Amino acid sequence: GAVVSQHPSWVICKSGTSVKIECRSLDFQATTMFWYRQFPKQSLMLMATSNEGSKATYEQGVEKDKFLINHASLTLSTLTVTSAHPEDSSFYICSAIRTGTEAFFGQGTRLTVV
Amino acid sequence: GDSVTQMEGPVTLSEEAFLTINCTYTATGYPSLFWYVQYPGEGLQLLLKATKADDKGSNKGFEATYRKETTSFHLEKGSVQVSDSAVYFCALSETKTSYDKVIFGPGTSLSVIP
Repeated sequence: GAVVSQHPSWVICKSGTSVKIECRSLDFQATTMFWYRQFPKQSLMLMATSNEGSKATYEQGVEKDKFLINHASLTLSTLTVTSAHPEDSSFYICSAIRTGTEAFFGQGTRLTVV
Repeated sequence: GDSVTQMEGPVTLSEEAFLTINCTYTATGYPSLFWYVQYPGEGLQLLLKATKADDKGSNKGFEATYRKETTSFHLEKGSVQVSDSAVYFCALSETKTSYDKVIFGPGTSLSVIP
């Protein structure tokens, strides 16, 4: 099956710093990627839709200036958490759409802000 | 809007017991339905899917049938194993011709004890 890779798998950062998470589709081109956030013991909540070459579409309630999304190529989308705070600590998961098939998910990135 | 409802967990079963996790959905169109599994500390894996009414998705001994009349997609397995311990998410994707963002249910945690 198709492979989607996230990097890093986990990261610890200091409050006030920014963190970048990468999502790559390794063996297919993805014009659309999605970013989800998962709080402990909860479901995944869609944060934004990332479209190659255009601005991301954010879900209601998601701060676009805090969660910067860049989809610069057909195989890479990045999520940057700016000025991170402890409440941003979460599990972030991306998915990529391969044309004609279902979404493929990355393994997730666990962010801890201290 | 579209939504997915799952039975509340956690669910604890003995090895070789029968498993049912109920899932119902609300959608404006004719969605594709999925079950995803998340093992501890890992990302999501697609377990099975169904794209039209009466379709049965199956994988690793798990089955689910798309019931349009009851808007349900219940997950079943005849004999669970300890290795099946995980969180199971029922999900839907609205777009038929190409897959769109995935909307998840709250997840059901399953623990299988020897």
